[in-house]
Amino acid sequence: EAGVVQSPRYKIIEKKQPVAFWCNPISGHNTLYWYRQNLGQGPELLIRYENEEAVDDSQLPKDRFSAERLKGVDSTLKIQPAELGDSAVYLCASTPGPNTEAFFGQGTRLTVV
Amino acid sequence: GDSVTQMEGPVTLSEEAFLTINCTYTATGYPSLFWYVQYPGEGLQLLLKATKADDKGSNKGFEATYRKETTSFHLEKGSVQVSDSAVYFCALSRMDSNYQLIWGAGTKLIIKP
Repeated sequence: EAGVVQSPRYKIIEKKQPVAFWCNPISGHNTLYWYRQNLGQGPELLIRYENEEAVDDSQLPKDRFSAERLKGVDSTLKIQPAELGDSAVYLCASTPGPNTEAFFGQGTRLTVV
Repeated sequence: GDSVTQMEGPVTLSEEAFLTINCTYTATGYPSLFWYVQYPGEGLQLLLKATKADDKGSNKGFEATYRKETTSFHLEKGSVQVSDSAVYFCALSRMDSNYQLIWGAGTKLIIKP
């Protein structure tokens, strides 16, 4: 069974440029999460989807971040414009239901220069 | 609010040494507790979990016991191997918070041959 797939693995962009990350969750997993992980810290939740609905986006910086999950499967996370402080690893995870194991992708390491 | 505190790393041990990584939490009610592991270049993966007081989670020789009286979930292994070198994250979730994972900062473990 394929795991959570994220792309790209690495991205280097100049500040003020846009960037997008893509996530394909495990088939059948209705819940999808985007996290941001800064160096030496644990993941911080950005947004949680139940199917195609964003049910918790309270920690998403909406002035520059946006996300979508078309048809309740794949998801994209976008930053426009990127700032130096956005450099981090962006993780996608999916679960089959509440209080079940979260399966993580390998993450996208973003460097803003 | 809920929080998780882990011992700071890196923790450096010789092969076959005994491992303890401390984790304490603050949460109302009865959270579920988790240990996730992140091997170099890979995504986070669930190592073990416990869902109620006095439960012991175990996997790959690692164990952790849910201690409500001390609000702790310390990770232990009797004899570590070089392949255990990774970053270990303690986390909790509660039903009242829609099972959102609250993470510790992670502890880097380095095992020397």
